[in-house]
Order: sequence, then C-alpha cells, then structure tokens
Amino acid sequence: DAGVIQSPRHEVTEMGQEVTLRCKPISGHNSLFWYRQTMMRGLELLIYFNNNVPIDDSGMPEDRFSAKMPNASFSTLKIQPSEPRDSAVYFCASSRETSGRTYNEQFFGPGTRLTVL
Amino acid sequence: AQKVTQAQTEISVVEKEDVTLDCVYETRDTTYYLFWYKQPPSGELVFLIRRNSFDEQNEISGRYSWNFQKSTSSFNFTITASQVVDSAVYFCALRGGNEKLTFGTGTRLTIIP
Repeated sequence: DAGVIQSPRHEVTEMGQEVTLRCKPISGHNSLFWYRQTMMRGLELLIYFNNNVPIDDSGMPEDRFSAKMPNASFSTLKIQPSEPRDSAVYFCASSRETSGRTYNEQFFGPGTRLTVL
Repeated sequence: AQKVTQAQTEISVVEKEDVTLDCVYETRDTTYYLFWYKQPPSGELVFLIRRNSFDEQNEISGRYSWNFQKSTSSFNFTITASQVVDSAVYFCALRGGNEKLTFGTGTRLTIIP
C-alpha cells in the first residue's frame, strides 16, 4: 500500500505569493492531520480532519492559513499571502480512528519543505 | 493539558553499544496512548510503536525494546547493539482525552562507527 503522499516535496516562493500544499492520505484512513516542524517550535499540529470535517483548527497560526478536505482522498493547506516566517517543513499524516477515544498511530508523509524568501 | 519531556537533547554512542532514550509524560487522563517515532536524516517521520495506558507490558521488536512504567510516568526506548542506521532524531508522543498528539522535543541519536 502506498503511504501518505505529499506534493510538492520542496517549494521556494517569494513573500506575498500564495502557496498550496497537497496531501493524499492512506486509503481507508478517516483522519487527516497537518503539522508544521521548525527548529524553534518543534512539531505542532495545525489542523485535524475526521471524516473530511475539520475537528480542531486551533493550531492554525492566523487567517493566512486555510485547509480543506473536499473528499476522503485529498486535502490542501494554503498559505496566502506567504511570509518568511512560514518557512518550515509541513507534514501531512493520516490514521484510522475508531469511535470513542481509541487513538491509533498516525502515518506521516515525507513532508514539504517550504522556503519563503 | 498534557506534556512530554525528552530531557536528552543529544546522545552519541559507539556502534554496538546499547542506548536508552528517556521519555517522561504528564497527563490527567486515565486512558491515553504513547508513541515513538523516528526521524532519520532524510526527514520523514517513521512510526515505531503505540502503547495504551492499560498495557504496561514491555515490548521487544528485534533490537528495539520499550519499558512503560505508569508509576514513574515513563516510556523509555532502548536500542540494543546500536548500528549507524539508528542515527536519527527520536520523538516520544502522547495522546489522551480530547487532546491532540503532543510530541516531545526529540532526542538526536548519533551512532559513531
């Protein structure tokens, strides 16, 4: 089975430009997570979808960030306008979550390294 | 709120030595899940193990073993007979209640050939 797929793997853009990161979760997984990793802040959750519905977006830094999950096999994270402080590695992860508070492991994609100049 | 502490920022050992990575956690939930992930130099995050709070049995997988002790809120990870390929950053993580997955700050392990 294919793992979590992310594109692009690397993105270099200029301040003010719109950036769109893409993710395809593992087939059959019903939860999808977007994380950001920086040296200063480590790994932080940006947003979490369950069955395509956003459940927790408290980690989204500000209105410049938005995420969508139009169907079970695709999600996007958009930054508009981008700023140099958005430079980081963005990971998408997916898991199969059952009812209640049984938390299964999350499988991570390879990440997108974003550089905003 | 929940918290994961990995006090060891960096560890270096010579190949074939055993090494233990410490993880201490805090949570008010009685049901929670603990995880370890490996991040090699290539950057991806690789899942290693998941343990729920009701299962205190230690686990061994090849050269890897995990010691879960609720009494000390610790979930330590030992690599036996370390190899250069074990060089990576290792993250301990916790999820319980309605909380999101909380990662520790990671331990950078370097295996010296």
